[in-house]
Amino acid sequence: VTLLEQNPRWRLVPRGQAVNLRCILKNSQYPWMSWYQQDLQKQLQWLFTLRSPGDKEVKSLPGADYLATRVTDTELRLQVANMSQGRTLYCTCSAGLGANTGQLYFGEGSKLTVL
Amino acid sequence: AQSVDQPDAHVTLSEGASLELRCSYSYSAAPYLFWYVQYPGQSLQFLLKYITGDTVVKGTKGFEAEFRKSNSSFNLKKSPAHWSDSAKYFCALEGQGTGSKLSFGKGAKLTVSP
Repeated sequence: VTLLEQNPRWRLVPRGQAVNLRCILKNSQYPWMSWYQQDLQKQLQWLFTLRSPGDKEVKSLPGADYLATRVTDTELRLQVANMSQGRTLYCTCSAGLGANTGQLYFGEGSKLTVL
Repeated sequence: AQSVDQPDAHVTLSEGASLELRCSYSYSAAPYLFWYVQYPGQSLQFLLKYITGDTVVKGTKGFEAEFRKSNSSFNLKKSPAHWSDSAKYFCALEGQGTGSKLSFGKGAKLTVSP
């Protein structure tokens, strides 16, 4: 059984448009949900960790701007905007028990390609 | 600051050989260390972790890793390797109290030829 379901799994993004990603947690036993970004070379970089419904955070990195929202105990969202033209990016969510409690579980990722 | 280095981006070996993937880290306190594996088109999967205690930890799929504080390393090992082990392997570090924020190495793509 997949613990985390991400959608969409793939999206072509017109230049200048934002895209909204969802991550659904199937077992609320792992309440600490996070977003990671992964470039074409598969380098993983932590973006956000949000614990409680209503939590929001924003971040700007070279190549994209991000807004993460913890919608409910089982749903995490990520809005990606201002992606650089021609860029491909993977956004992956994870879930865990909390600080220093062990492994994380990861979703299958969403692939974003800017036209 | 914390960082993880995996110096070998690509590792190729024959089935039946012993594999060792190198990982070194930089962190000022006691680290929590992990290995994850990613098969093509799949999500990252947990292999093993070192939190404290025995410096040799065993994980899933027959893998083990040894934590060496003296040279800040956490190398992944398996013998013998199987063609199904072909995948990308990531070493990761969690700092104390940093929650779900893992710092990952760049990964090592392992190819095991039959």
